[in-house]
Amino acid sequence: NAGVTQTPKFQVLKTGQSMTLQCAQDMNHNSMYWYRQDPGMGLRLIYYSASEGTTDKGEVPNGYNVSRLNKREFSLRLESAAPSQTSVYFCASETGAGANVLTFGAGSRLTVL
Amino acid sequence: AQSVTQPDIHITVSEGASLELRCNYSYGATPYLFWYVQSPGQGLQLLLKYFSGDTLVQGIKGFEAEFKRSQSSFNLRKPSVHWSDAAEYFCAVGVGSGDKLTFGTGTRLAVRP
Repeated sequence: NAGVTQTPKFQVLKTGQSMTLQCAQDMNHNSMYWYRQDPGMGLRLIYYSASEGTTDKGEVPNGYNVSRLNKREFSLRLESAAPSQTSVYFCASETGAGANVLTFGAGSRLTVL
Repeated sequence: AQSVTQPDIHITVSEGASLELRCNYSYGATPYLFWYVQSPGQGLQLLLKYFSGDTLVQGIKGFEAEFKRSQSSFNLRKPSVHWSDAAEYFCAVGVGSGDKLTFGTGTRLAVRP
């Protein structure tokens, strides 16, 4: 099925551990995004990639790094996890330049103890 | 910068009743406007979008929304709610590129049998 695939779906970390969230899309979209979703705060943009080889900070980039490995894959890395990074993370890709129409993955629920 | 307000955090309606979810935005010009739905444990799915033209837009699952420039609103409606409509609904405002997409904080809809 065409779409956005995220792994893992669930992860529990201890403070200070690192991990990478993986995202892949098979729709040949240029732009990809990482959001976090917290209760009462909607979705906030962490990082985005407008095209292969480029990445830019969003609203809440601190504590995260990203890699646009190729056109399909966009990963999010937590180098030293903190409890404040407990959240649900969503990857999305955009259908076309300026369209603002996003296709989302199913999410990755991360708990940092 | 643009902003989005969804004044209702939770709404409960009876199955078969009509529904209206409110969304107000702040932006100097007419932005792109979106409604997304998130079912439990799932990513966000686009319900409908407004770019220009007819101010009443139809979406999937029997939803519609009306853009009212004078009120800076883009309210979502459905004439008869089904139990499967129970979900969280997000209004979003875009101004051209995906990194400029701003989400509201969401409205959680419960449906009484």
